[in-house]
Amino acid sequence: DAGITQSPRHKVTETGTPVTLRCHQTENHRYMYWYRQDPGHGLRLIHYSYGVKDTDKGEVSDGYSVSRSKTEDFLLTLESATSSQTSVYFCAISDSRTLYNEQFFGPGTRLTVL
Amino acid sequence: AQKVTQAQTEISVVEKEDVTLDCVYETRDTTYYLFWYKQPPSGELVFLIRRNSFDEQNEISGRYSWNFQKSTSSFNFTITASQVVDSAVYFCALSEARGGNQFYFGTGTSLTVIP
Repeated sequence: DAGITQSPRHKVTETGTPVTLRCHQTENHRYMYWYRQDPGHGLRLIHYSYGVKDTDKGEVSDGYSVSRSKTEDFLLTLESATSSQTSVYFCAISDSRTLYNEQFFGPGTRLTVL
Repeated sequence: AQKVTQAQTEISVVEKEDVTLDCVYETRDTTYYLFWYKQPPSGELVFLIRRNSFDEQNEISGRYSWNFQKSTSSFNFTITASQVVDSAVYFCALSEARGGNQFYFGTGTSLTVIP
């Protein structure tokens, strides 16, 4: 199994509060991704990173920001959480040696915004 | 427009039956990759297979097989002699050569195998 951890695994917060989710990998993979999973939508890409300090937006990036200061960590921040951001968040990584390789996923973080 | 369509939202089969999960994709790229992932009730996402656009050979792995047809833009997944452990949500995904390895997922098919 790919070494990917996410923290916290569960979080309940209130509307308007900032929230940061952390993804940590031990595989030294170049690419890291944040997805959200919602019923009826599958997984949708929020942001991704192709190297330290190199990030780009995905399909549903509004309301989210990311940072990657080290290869192993990719942080997802909700500056002011809203109820529409209640979701399960997955981090994924992929190997840069072959560009279009499969992505391996972390265990997920269940976020509830009240 | 949805790049990956999984029209079957939920499927139920009786154990030992064969079942096929459909995946239709849309892309203008000539180079692309297709994937299947399994999400069991425990919630993790498990990689099953990758197929590139230049390789139309069907693949078989135990009870699992995949049928890739570029002519119909489909990448279907068949489970033979289904088992209760196959109960999960299955996702098909597309990655385009010009897309920076971004994945586009279908909405998933929930498979229930009844003992």
